[in-house]
Amino acid sequence: KQEVTQIPAALSVPEGENLVLNCSFTDSAIYNLQWFRQDPGKGLTSLLLIQSSQREQTSGRLNASLDKSSGRSTLYIAASQPGDSATYLCAVMGHGNQFYFGTGTSLTVIP
Amino acid sequence: GAVVSQHPSRVICKSGTSVKIECRSLDFQATTMFWYRQFPKQSLMLMATSNEGSKATYEQGVEKDKFLINHASLTLSTLTVTSAHPEDSSFYICSARDPSAASSYNEQFFGPGTRLTVL
Repeated sequence: KQEVTQIPAALSVPEGENLVLNCSFTDSAIYNLQWFRQDPGKGLTSLLLIQSSQREQTSGRLNASLDKSSGRSTLYIAASQPGDSATYLCAVMGHGNQFYFGTGTSLTVIP
Repeated sequence: GAVVSQHPSRVICKSGTSVKIECRSLDFQATTMFWYRQFPKQSLMLMATSNEGSKATYEQGVEKDKFLINHASLTLSTLTVTSAHPEDSSFYICSARDPSAASSYNEQFFGPGTRLTVL
């Protein structure tokens, strides 16, 4: 069964710093990988989706990379802002279209 | 992007009662929807795959008689928590894929979630 792990579990950085969140998965037979943001008590906001054939995707200050063969993905956040504070989840989609979610990284950006 | 709604957003019920949660795809038809559960400070766990017109597929460890799923139409799936107990208190989220979207890259759209509290 697919297992998805995220490191670190929690991260606190000063405003303006660049940061990297890590995601690893055990089964490389994925359809795609998606990064989400979740604010406390709220649903999911999709940030970036990377197809299994792609290496990276960018949106604004966010860049996500995918190395399917090694089972790794990273989410890079440039020039962090207090509004970026949230829990970040990565999820891999299996060929049955079901998602397997990572354990999450709780990010706090200090003004 | 496509929109998925859930109703209710919050529900509080007494132990032993049943609660129904609705998941709707508002502007597309979804032959498959997914139900996830999230306990406090934990990640989302897939509970079951809801298939329109057929039985749901449950993940290992999820009781199908306790979590009844009905996908009666292409835009609606319901999750009924039967005889709810405090340990069923959780955040339930559904998702759906728009198979007609040519450039969706199989992207799924998530509902806003339903917070269930069982007293």
